[in-house]
Amino acid sequence: DTEVTQTPKHLVMGMTNKKSLKCEQHMGHRAMYWYKQKAKKPPELMFVYSYEKLSINESVPSRFSPECPNSSLLNLHLHALQPEDSALYLCASSQDVRRLVAYEQYFGPGTRLTVT
Amino acid sequence: AQSVTQLDSHVSVSEGTPVLLRCNYSSSYSPSLFWYVQHPNKGLQLLLKYTSAATLVKGINGFEAEFKKSETSFHLTKPSAHMSDAAEYFCVVSHYNNNDMRFGAGTRLTVKP
Repeated sequence: DTEVTQTPKHLVMGMTNKKSLKCEQHMGHRAMYWYKQKAKKPPELMFVYSYEKLSINESVPSRFSPECPNSSLLNLHLHALQPEDSALYLCASSQDVRRLVAYEQYFGPGTRLTVT
Repeated sequence: AQSVTQLDSHVSVSEGTPVLLRCNYSSSYSPSLFWYVQHPNKGLQLLLKYTSAATLVKGINGFEAEFKKSETSFHLTKPSAHMSDAAEYFCVVSHYNNNDMRFGAGTRLTVKP
């Protein structure tokens, strides 16, 4: 099974709402990622989790809060978002994050987020 | 610092004709290189990867890419385009590990009937 699943597929939220995005993989991967993708742009890395610990935070505003409850699950908690945060949020996983080795990443289908 | 440049933002081909999507990288070390495809409103799918083994890499759906160190290029090719190949294609370079992956700006491939 090489699938990364993401829920929900679409999310519309107001600027005062709190919501969460969920990502799951059952490939035994030890690294998981959140990306943000605006229309007609490449994905931008937000967070990297390695062995369930946050290893990279690409200066993401605190209104985005990641969580890795176990090695298969990755959440992104959203609070007080702005309209410019509307985008496709992609989750990905890879076998590992190890120095001098670049593993292929497996991407989920994404959550299309609209902030009103 | 590493970087990756996709030389064409948009490529249009006719069905059945060859596809060439160009990617150049800059690197101080031996890079790992990837091509991903993204269909509309979908996630990214790995087409192929180069990690210092054979310089000609074969991927899924008939795509292949050749690593040319002297030209710092990793162009993606396919002999005969299919309508289902219409999508956005991203070239990605990594020098050290998955914390250091850089995406190109993307090339949109259009396939005409």
